Amino acid sequence: GIQVEQSPPDLILQEGANSTLRCNFSDSVNNLQWFHQNPWGQLINLFYIPSGTKQNGRLSATTVATERYSLLYISSSQTTDSGVYFCAVEPYNDYKLSFGAGTTVTVRA
Amino acid sequence: GAVVSQHPSRVICKSGTSVKIECRSLDFQATTMFWYRQFPKQSLMLMATSNEGSKATYEQGVEKDKFLINHASLTLSTLTVTSAHPEDSSFYICSASPGRTANTGELFFGEGSRLTVL
Repeated sequence: GIQVEQSPPDLILQEGANSTLRCNFSDSVNNLQWFHQNPWGQLINLFYIPSGTKQNGRLSATTVATERYSLLYISSSQTTDSGVYFCAVEPYNDYKLSFGAGTTVTVRA
Repeated sequence: GAVVSQHPSRVICKSGTSVKIECRSLDFQATTMFWYRQFPKQSLMLMATSNEGSKATYEQGVEKDKFLINHASLTLSTLTVTSAHPEDSSFYICSASPGRTANTGELFFGEGSRLTVL
């Protein structure tokens, strides 16, 4: 099956700092989504971004499908940004969404 | 975004009992729903695909007799953990998409159900 690798596994930030999370995948995809899992376990949809660039407030994402990677940018980080960020992809010819291992982000005041 | 709701959010049961978890799409119809399982500090693993009006499709290594899935309507899928044991303790999350065709569409997830088997 498709391999999804996220880096770094852990990230500690000072409030106000910027950061970049990376997601590499091993095959062509129909769908790529970024999620934030809050402390209660809820998965919050951040971006549906099989290709191109999108922005939502302090967050933005870019997927370069031809090079099989996606980046999530967090600017001016806040303590509420803490949590686990997952990248998930849906390969061509397979409707199942496969998750990376996640990046655990800790933002300190 | 679309809303997917799960119930119960937390359940504690004795070993040997069965537990049913419901997943509902609140503002759209879903012919397909997905059930995931997440162990502490790990990622989400797909367990099965729930298909309205037909049998669920299970991933390799998932016991279909242990995890019974029923998708009786376009807005409800249920996961029943039968004869639960402590090793079944986990976080179970369902997902669905309002715009899903054969193989694409943004997925939305329920709040998750945390099962603890004593």
